[in-house]
Amino acid sequence: DGGITQSPKYLFRKEGQNVTLSCEQNLNHDAMYWYRQDPGQGLRLIYYSQIVNDFQKGDIAEGYSVSREKKESFPLTVTSAQKNPTAFYLCASSMEQYQPQHFGDGTRLSIL
Amino acid sequence: GQNIDQPTEMTATEGAIVQINCTYQTSGFNGLFWYQQHAGEAPTFLSYNVLDGLEEKGRFSSFLSRSKGYSYLLLKELQMKDSASYLCAVRGRSGNTPLVFGKGTRLSVIA
Repeated sequence: DGGITQSPKYLFRKEGQNVTLSCEQNLNHDAMYWYRQDPGQGLRLIYYSQIVNDFQKGDIAEGYSVSREKKESFPLTVTSAQKNPTAFYLCASSMEQYQPQHFGDGTRLSIL
Repeated sequence: GQNIDQPTEMTATEGAIVQINCTYQTSGFNGLFWYQQHAGEAPTFLSYNVLDGLEEKGRFSSFLSRSKGYSYLLLKELQMKDSASYLCAVRGRSGNTPLVFGKGTRLSVIA
């Protein structure tokens, strides 16, 4: 079945550690996105990519990095520079302008 | 800048109708989307409006007025499983660009 797969479902980070969240899609969508959701808050955009080998910063990119080497994959690295990483991270993709974004099941990141 | 406002919480009775409003101010407009998000889960797509008027999909309808920067989601024949957050999102720029989300409206359906 076509969809977006995020892994792991739960992730724990130690102080000073970088961690990478995986996002893979087999929908043949061109654009992919990373959002962060905190309790009681809406989704805030971290990074997005409209095409392979290109990506753009969102509203809260500091402390995060991404790559887009393949159309299917858009991993997000939460670096040690991100001082408050505890949140629900959602990856999404979309085909074109008049189509909705579809979301993966999310990764819940916590600090040890 | 972009701003999307929706009520924080609403409560409605099983079997009733509820209307969730959304107002937006964006520098451009290329569509308004409604998503449903159950607690601890990812958002799922409900409806999409790009032209003024009403779009109906079963028990769910969504309305848009671009001149007023206003949309609403109408849920009919409420069921307990409709208890969830409802997110209003706008695509401001043209092209396959990111959606900007409101903070969501948490709907509680009571017996």
